[in-house]
Amino acid sequence: EDQVTQSPEALRLQEGESSSLNCSYTVSGLRGLFWYRQDPGKGPEFLFTLYSAGEEKEKERLKATLTKKESFLHITAPKPEDSATYLCAVQVLGYQKVTFGTGTKLQVIP
Amino acid sequence: DADVTQTPRNRITKTGKRIMLECSQTKGHDRMYWYRQDPGLGLRLIYYSFDVKDINKGEISDGYSVSRQAQAKFSLSLESAIPNQTALYFCATSDRSDRDTQYFGPGTRLTVL
Repeated sequence: EDQVTQSPEALRLQEGESSSLNCSYTVSGLRGLFWYRQDPGKGPEFLFTLYSAGEEKEKERLKATLTKKESFLHITAPKPEDSATYLCAVQVLGYQKVTFGTGTKLQVIP
Repeated sequence: DADVTQTPRNRITKTGKRIMLECSQTKGHDRMYWYRQDPGLGLRLIYYSFDVKDINKGEISDGYSVSRQAQAKFSLSLESAIPNQTALYFCATSDRSDRDTQYFGPGTRLTVL
């Protein structure tokens, strides 16, 4: 069974304190791994898709990386506006189903 | 105006009632999806549609039905609501040219008493 586990469940950072969020996955054949950001009371907002081990993508203070077992979302010098829940999801080859993790709730304190 | 809209935003109903949640999009995308989000479980796919004549069951379709009235409209129905259908429901869209980028609506919070 496909599984996605995100850690930690919650993370509190001081503004400017860099850190990483983890998404470990177990799938039969990975087609793609997705990162989303979700603000309270809103729908998820797409951030990145990663397709193969070694791939990296960046957007502002965020950088996503992928290995054969996990993905990291690195946050460099975070600001309070980066506070949100970050969701990871995986899609298996040949299937439409996307399996989401339960998210990491990030709080960045000024 | 928002690209993906959902109505209603909040709904409280009783067990056994029929409920329809509506989704409209102005992005011109051909693909639309319905998800539900429950605390501790993550988002799960209910139904998806790749065009007006294409409807597919997702991971948890039992107790739900959908209608794709037009390319821009995709409705989710609960024929006889039950309390364990209490959840946050999201509609999403994507385009065949970039199918991995899904755009989500703001969600509908449904409570079944």
